[in-house]
Amino acid sequence: DTGVSQNPRHKITKRGQNVTFRCDPISEHNRLYWYRQTLGQGPEFLTYFQNEAQLEKSRLLSDRFSAERPKGSFSTLEIQRTEQGDSAMYLCASSVLTGKGYTFGSGTRLTVV
Amino acid sequence: SQQGEEDPQALSIQEGENATMNCSYKTSINNLQWYRQNSGRGLVHLILIRSNEREKHSGRLRVTLDTSKKSSSLLITASRAADTASYFCATDQSGAGSYQLTFGKGTKLSVIP
Repeated sequence: DTGVSQNPRHKITKRGQNVTFRCDPISEHNRLYWYRQTLGQGPEFLTYFQNEAQLEKSRLLSDRFSAERPKGSFSTLEIQRTEQGDSAMYLCASSVLTGKGYTFGSGTRLTVV
Repeated sequence: SQQGEEDPQALSIQEGENATMNCSYKTSINNLQWYRQNSGRGLVHLILIRSNEREKHSGRLRVTLDTSKKSSSLLITASRAADTASYFCATDQSGAGSYQLTFGKGTKLSVIP
């Protein structure tokens, strides 16, 4: 069990650029979640995958955000035309069953300048 | 929107003392979970209590759940400096058709050696 891996750990980008983050969940976990966390706040849900199917998206996920999980393994989160308000920690988590705890990755900290 | 609200927002205690954090939520849940987050890192799952349970223990952790009051508490006994972290409650409403965990803003615990 190598845990949930997220890359990169840190990303600094200029406003208007596109960024992509990757998440590698625990291999046996078919459920994968993306959350966003800003300073002093709890994580906010962005989207949920069960295997390769994206089953739930938050209203926070604007048209500039897209997530994929091809083949039900790793997942990517892309933000197009980044804005300063996108600066946050992006957290990925996986789980094996609904009703079980999540395993979180260490997150990708995005800074938009 | 955030379902859970932790209280207090910050707590400072001496090593060896007990720490109690409270969480209130708004709607019916399947289960409630507590997570710990060390500064700038991902979240670690601590304990899960189901809606039909009233109390649960795990090592130095004791969690209670009162569904009539829509509240939960986390007690950490004999605290250690290593317990210094932010603690979040998260509610699972998967029975309502949503797969997400909804987190509160957290309690920042400082344990002074």
